[in-house]
Amino acid sequence: SQQGEEDPQALSIQEGENATMNCSYKTSINNLQWYRQNSGRGLVHLILIRSNEREKHSGRLRVTLDTSKKSSSLLITASRAADTASYFCATDSMEYGNKLVFGAGTILRVKS
Amino acid sequence: EAQVTQNPRYLITVTGKKLTVTCSQNMNHEYMSWYRQDPGLGLRQIYYSMNVEVTDKGDVPEGYKVSRKEKRNFPLILESPSPNQTSLYFCASSLRLSYYNEQFFGPGTRLTVL
Repeated sequence: SQQGEEDPQALSIQEGENATMNCSYKTSINNLQWYRQNSGRGLVHLILIRSNEREKHSGRLRVTLDTSKKSSSLLITASRAADTASYFCATDSMEYGNKLVFGAGTILRVKS
Repeated sequence: EAQVTQNPRYLITVTGKKLTVTCSQNMNHEYMSWYRQDPGLGLRQIYYSMNVEVTDKGDVPEGYKVSRKEKRNFPLILESPSPNQTSLYFCASSLRLSYYNEQFFGPGTRLTVL
């Protein structure tokens, strides 16, 4: 039951450029979260956006949520080499019970 | 330091040899969960626990067992490991499963079953 699907699967950009990743999901949600994973390590929570919110900011991160289209985007501005990682969206939905459901992730590579 | 710890971090074993991966959190979290991560499949939930003595199956529970006798610990047990359980395993915890809680992840356990 893969609720969230990220797009693109992989993204390669130059340092200083912006990176945009998208997440689409299938059911109505309570909230949507974004996580970062550095190679082979545990996931780190980045930002949570509630279903009644449309946009949220945290430092260089901007997340939008469009519940009518069942989609979210994560924008990283002025990317740095240290942003190289995999990014996952995760949804909390009544339909999927007591769990977060993760997508397959977007691999971001920032070249210096 | 608030954290989720897992042990071992790396494990190579053989088919059929019972093993346990431990998970412990020091944040007094109610909710704990186990995931496995495989290339192209993202994270899939194995089991979760809403509180002590309360556990339930996730998406891929076959071949795994868990227990939650204490709030801080949530071990994952593979009674008879098979090669298809070769994967990267993560334990996670959150204050409780509600609308607004982020999950804290452990560093992962890379398991190879020969």
